[in-house]
Amino acid sequence: QSVLTQPPAVSGAPGQRVTISCTGSSSNIGVGHGVHWYQHLPGTAPKLLIFANSNRPSGVPDRFSGSKSGTSASLAITGLQAEDEADYYCQSYDNNLSGWVFGGGTKLTVL
Amino acid sequence: QVQLVQSGAEVKKPGASVKVSCKASGYTFTSHSIQWVRQAPGQSLEWMGWINAGNGNTKYSQRFQDRVTFTMDTSASTAYMELSSLRSEDTAVFYCARDQWPHFDFWGQGTLVTVSS
Repeated sequence: QSVLTQPPAVSGAPGQRVTISCTGSSSNIGVGHGVHWYQHLPGTAPKLLIFANSNRPSGVPDRFSGSKSGTSASLAITGLQAEDEADYYCQSYDNNLSGWVFGGGTKLTVL
Repeated sequence: QVQLVQSGAEVKKPGASVKVSCKASGYTFTSHSIQWVRQAPGQSLEWMGWINAGNGNTKYSQRFQDRVTFTMDTSASTAYMELSSLRSEDTAVFYCARDQWPHFDFWGQGTLVTVSS
């Protein structure tokens, strides 16, 4: 049971927009800690996609965007491409655990 | 460019220990902590702790703190994670990542550790 809750799976057709939610609590997202998103293809290194709620590292396409409100955050992907098919994880810091926590992961399928 | 290259896959028997290395390049090793993350088969990512590459201080997740040890060799720009008293449930891919508080900006390719009798 992950501290941050994500939907197990989402899907969309090429060119469409999908969103992935990440729900936390008052000890992590709700207390003001930033939310970060990673893209992970099994067998490869996870890749930082969004940091501090809505910031993209250089090289990440602007098709990827993040937002945060209250105890939740969202990752939006527009103009879906086949190469976006991967697992996506949200992350934040948790005061109760004094450490980082991850969401359960969401598998994105591009139909 | 920043790279973290981890050691190869390991097969260990229950009760044994495993030591995974993470060699950093492309930046000043001592300027960033190294984080360690575990991913068991079919499971999510799980934070294990970090080592401050500047002074060697460590912080362990409560879940692992009695079995894991982080060390480093600054002359080799390499961090190590040793997990002891292995059990079958420890079969997982272990990742190192560069800390860029409060997120992790570069990750290693992962090291599969299989625990089997």
